[in-house]
Amino acid sequence: EIVLTQSPGTLSLSPGERATLSCRASQSFSRSFLVWYQQKPGQAPRLLIYGATSRATGVPDRFSGSGSGTDFTLTISRLEPEDFVVYYCQQYGSSLYTFGQGTKLEIK
Amino acid sequence: QLQLQESGPGLVKPSETLSLTCTVSGGSINNSSYYWGWIRQPPGKGLEWIGNIYYSGTTYYNPSLKSRVTISVDTSKNQFSLNLSSVTAADTAVYYCARVWIPFVRPWGQGTLVTVSS
Repeated sequence: EIVLTQSPGTLSLSPGERATLSCRASQSFSRSFLVWYQQKPGQAPRLLIYGATSRATGVPDRFSGSGSGTDFTLTISRLEPEDFVVYYCQQYGSSLYTFGQGTKLEIK
Repeated sequence: QLQLQESGPGLVKPSETLSLTCTVSGGSINNSSYYWGWIRQPPGKGLEWIGNIYYSGTTYYNPSLKSRVTISVDTSKNQFSLNLSSVTAADTAVYYCARVWIPFVRPWGQGTLVTVSS
């Protein structure tokens, strides 16, 4: 089973800044199976990125994904106030789904 | 637009079985393109995939929960269900049902909080 480790646990930035969130896997897998979600308080997660780089329908283009192998990144180019929530990466493999522990983006 | 709604008891006693049902509306559960799944989130913590079921009844479970989990489907009611046996306080969580694609989950239900307590 692949373990996903997200870093940092909490990221403190200001609106307008660039955010870089990391997701590292315990073993290499196809980038096709790496997904990012955004979760606002009291809500279910929202799909942001799938296949490591493809934005889901309706996701602003300030969100972008990159990476391959064991290292993946979610970048938010210019932070808006509504972006200061929690982000999870998720991996699919061998009929199993695993999530990272999450990164909380907070206002500095 | 596909919608999912969880239902079931909000309070379960330790050692008993947690049972939840997910009702799918706006689309048929009888679709070979995806799965139907359960994910949970303990208060203040991260997400944990529980398992998926295909419309045919084929199931896939998280190995860490496999011995206690049963997911079933009722295509006539457009519903699928979760049973988690021998629960403890560690099973207290918001339980989400969802449509599961390969590799992502969308859409999600709104979630239902289940508390394990005597």
